[in-house]
Amino acid sequence: DGGITQSPKYLFRKEGQNVTLSCEQNLNHDAMYWYRQDPGQGLRLIYYSQIVNDFQKGDIAEGYSVSREKKESFPLTVTSAQKNPTAFYLCASGQESSYNEQFFGPGTRLTVL
Amino acid sequence: AQSVSQHNHHVILSEAASLELGCNYSYGGTVNLFWYVQYPGQHLQLLLKYFSGDPLVKGIKGFEAEFIKSKFSFNLRKPSVQWSDTAEYFCAVSGTYKYIFGTGTRLKVLA
Repeated sequence: DGGITQSPKYLFRKEGQNVTLSCEQNLNHDAMYWYRQDPGQGLRLIYYSQIVNDFQKGDIAEGYSVSREKKESFPLTVTSAQKNPTAFYLCASGQESSYNEQFFGPGTRLTVL
Repeated sequence: AQSVSQHNHHVILSEAASLELGCNYSYGGTVNLFWYVQYPGQHLQLLLKYFSGDPLVKGIKGFEAEFIKSKFSFNLRKPSVQWSDTAEYFCAVSGTYKYIFGTGTRLKVLA
């Protein structure tokens, strides 16, 4: 069953702690993306990666970090430097072309207390 | 600056009413246009897309969208909505590997 998995679905952390969100895909897609979804603001791009061992900052990368050591995996770390980390985080993947649609995971809702 | 604007943030319709959701974009160069839908509790999924050719594209569940280049618009339409169309709808533009999404429109269809 192909798709994108994100874990956990809900995550709670204390302020000042780093937290890593998991994203795995078995669609053999080259590109992977992380978005943040806030009410009334749509999806905003945090980071994206077109190939393994390479990634680029999106529009709101400050306070976040990523790695792309394997094609299937693109974990996102929300650091303590992110001023407003409570949000819904979506991971997506797609073939390396803007013609192709993106496939989205179920998301992780992060709440920082 | 590159941007996507969705004019309607919340729309409430009765079943069988017609739907049109506006989407305007600002993007230099050739664009690819998409509408995505997020049903309650489900993944964001593709509704339809436009790359080239016929500016009127048809998607799943009876949705269609028209690309009007002169107006930089890609409005979504459905002649008769159903209760199951209740969802959030996102317009998106892609260029070089990056997507830009609009802020979304929450549609509520009353039975």
